[in-house]
Amino acid sequence: NAGVMQNPRHLVRRRGQEARLRCSPMKGHSHVYWYRQLPEEGLKFMVYLQKENIIDESGMPKERFSAEFPKEGPSILRIQQVVRGDSAAYFCASSPTGGTAYEQYFGPGTRLTVT
Amino acid sequence: SQQGEEDPQALSIQEGENATMNCSYKTSINNLQWYRQNSGRGLVHLILIRSNEREKHSGRLRVTLDTSKKSSSLLITASRAADTASYFCAPQGANNLFFGTGTRLTVIP
Repeated sequence: NAGVMQNPRHLVRRRGQEARLRCSPMKGHSHVYWYRQLPEEGLKFMVYLQKENIIDESGMPKERFSAEFPKEGPSILRIQQVVRGDSAAYFCASSPTGGTAYEQYFGPGTRLTVT
Repeated sequence: SQQGEEDPQALSIQEGENATMNCSYKTSINNLQWYRQNSGRGLVHLILIRSNEREKHSGRLRVTLDTSKKSSSLLITASRAADTASYFCAPQGANNLFFGTGTRLTVIP
């Protein structure tokens, strides 16, 4: 059973470009969470999605950031018009169901560098 | 804030010694999870302890939870060099996890 897959592992973008980060959850998992980790800091929650639904986006910046989890295919975190402050590691996690009963399994992360 | 706060921020011990890391949080939780992160890598889930549990074991790991004090501890016994990593506690609210800045553990061979 493959774990959570994220790609790309490293992404370099110039200021103003768009960044697209992909996350494929573990097989059988229908809940996806995105977190951001700045250097020397812990992970900060961004958004929680189920298939075709955003459940909780309380951690998402109001502008330039969006996320989706379509019926088919991976979850996508999209950052438009990137700025240097967006440079961070972005992790997604998945669980078989939501709520508090299950562990969240993390992917290896995508390290975004904005130049 | 529901964010976990780990203490100490950094810990350096000799191989074979025990390592204890503490976590405090401020609000009510449903459960609390501990994760490990090796430098530059993703997080590895260690243990989930539910709010109605007081102690849980997994191999060389022992986790305690005191909801009256809003605190948890992670004990690693007989540490190994391979245990060198950052350890995060993550209190869990309704959906997401609230990570602190972690404890950096260094185990010296």
